[in-house]
Amino acid sequence: AQSVSQHNHHVILSEAASLELGCNYSYGGTVNLFWYVQYPGQHLQLLLKYFSGDPLVKGIKGFEAEFIKSKFSFNLRKPSVQWSDTAEYFCAVRTSGTYKYIFGTGTRLKVLA
Amino acid sequence: NAGVTQTPKFQVLKTGQSMTLQCAQDMNHNSMYWYRQDPGMGLRLIYYSASEGTTDKGEVPNGYNVSRLNKREFSLRLESAAPSQTSVYFCASSGGSLGRGMNTEAFFGQGTRLTVV
Repeated sequence: AQSVSQHNHHVILSEAASLELGCNYSYGGTVNLFWYVQYPGQHLQLLLKYFSGDPLVKGIKGFEAEFIKSKFSFNLRKPSVQWSDTAEYFCAVRTSGTYKYIFGTGTRLKVLA
Repeated sequence: NAGVTQTPKFQVLKTGQSMTLQCAQDMNHNSMYWYRQDPGMGLRLIYYSASEGTTDKGEVPNGYNVSRLNKREFSLRLESAAPSQTSVYFCASSGGSLGRGMNTEAFFGQGTRLTVV
């Protein structure tokens, strides 16, 4: 079965620090990859997505992610975080041949002002 | 354009009671999903419906039933609620389906916070 691993469960950063959140998936075929963000008390919103083409994708609010097929990874990055980035971040994968979106366990990011 | 609408937003049930969570989308999407979110466990798929008229089990279907009433609506029913079903429930929809293109993201509703006492 497909699975998604997020290795960092809790991350605390100061404002202006750089961010990298890890995401690995297990599936050898074609995948769609996503990062979602959930602000406190809110629903999930799409940050960015990868379907095909350039493996470096840019999303909203200055976030970007790089798809490395050989490592089955899709890590999320932001050069300089802000206090307003405090949220929970979820990596998700959708594999060819299924309708399902499989989510990782999430990473809680706290940014200190 | 409301997107994905869930009702109710909050609910408290007693053990053994039943209830139905409602979900409707106005984006003409083919696929709809029910997830539950628990601390430290991310989102786990309960049931999904790839298209109108079909439903399939996800990772954690026990204790739940679903109905894809029409293309817009996908309801989740708890027949006999248990404390282990205390969770936040999210409905989602997506436009893709096999044969019609896979490249699409899921759109989420605001969630239903359910407490079973």
